[in-house]
Amino acid sequence: GAVVSQHPSRVICKSGTSVKIECRSLDFQATTMFWYRQFPKKSLMLMATSNEGSKATYEQGVEKDKFLINHASLTLSTLTVTSAHPEDSSFYICSAKTEPNEKLFFGSGTQLSVL
Amino acid sequence: QKEVEQDPGPLSVPEGAIVSLNCTYSNSAFQYFMWYRQYSRKGPELLMYTYSSGNKEDGRFTAQVDKSSKYISLFIRDSQPSDSATYLCAMTPGHASGGSYIPTFGRGTSLIVHP
Repeated sequence: GAVVSQHPSRVICKSGTSVKIECRSLDFQATTMFWYRQFPKKSLMLMATSNEGSKATYEQGVEKDKFLINHASLTLSTLTVTSAHPEDSSFYICSAKTEPNEKLFFGSGTQLSVL
Repeated sequence: QKEVEQDPGPLSVPEGAIVSLNCTYSNSAFQYFMWYRQYSRKGPELLMYTYSSGNKEDGRFTAQVDKSSKYISLFIRDSQPSDSATYLCAMTPGHASGGSYIPTFGRGTSLIVHP
């Protein structure tokens, strides 16, 4: 299967700082990537759809100024959590869609802990 | 009613048992069906991918899709303790149908295979 690399796997930061998470498709080009958030023992919650070369589409209730998404190339999307607060602590996972078969592959996730 | 229903479990079985995991859905436009396995604090891993109705087998895993009943299943034969994980179903209409490719996920079923 296709490989999606996500970094960092774990980050601990102080309240008020910004954190950037990278998602790369290593062996395929992805015009569409997705960012999810997952709480313990809960299902995936879609935050936004990232489209190469255009603005991301955010799900209802997700603050676009808090969660900045950039998809500047066909292999890289980034999620920046700006001015992070303890309530932003969560497991963030990216995924990328292959074409034309439209399979979805996930990164390994990033555990964010905001102190 | 949610678009995709999946029993969260947990489902506990002895090693060697045949496991049956299921999802029901309400959107008749879904054409692509996927099963993912997720270990704790890891990204989901694509196990099976099927298009439309029918069966697909891959090693110990068999995926079944019954579009008439809006019901999909994942069977695991000769289950092993290493199969203990959360299994998520996902589905999408796909671009070919003119629909949006945003996969809809079930909430996941927690599987425990005990020795």
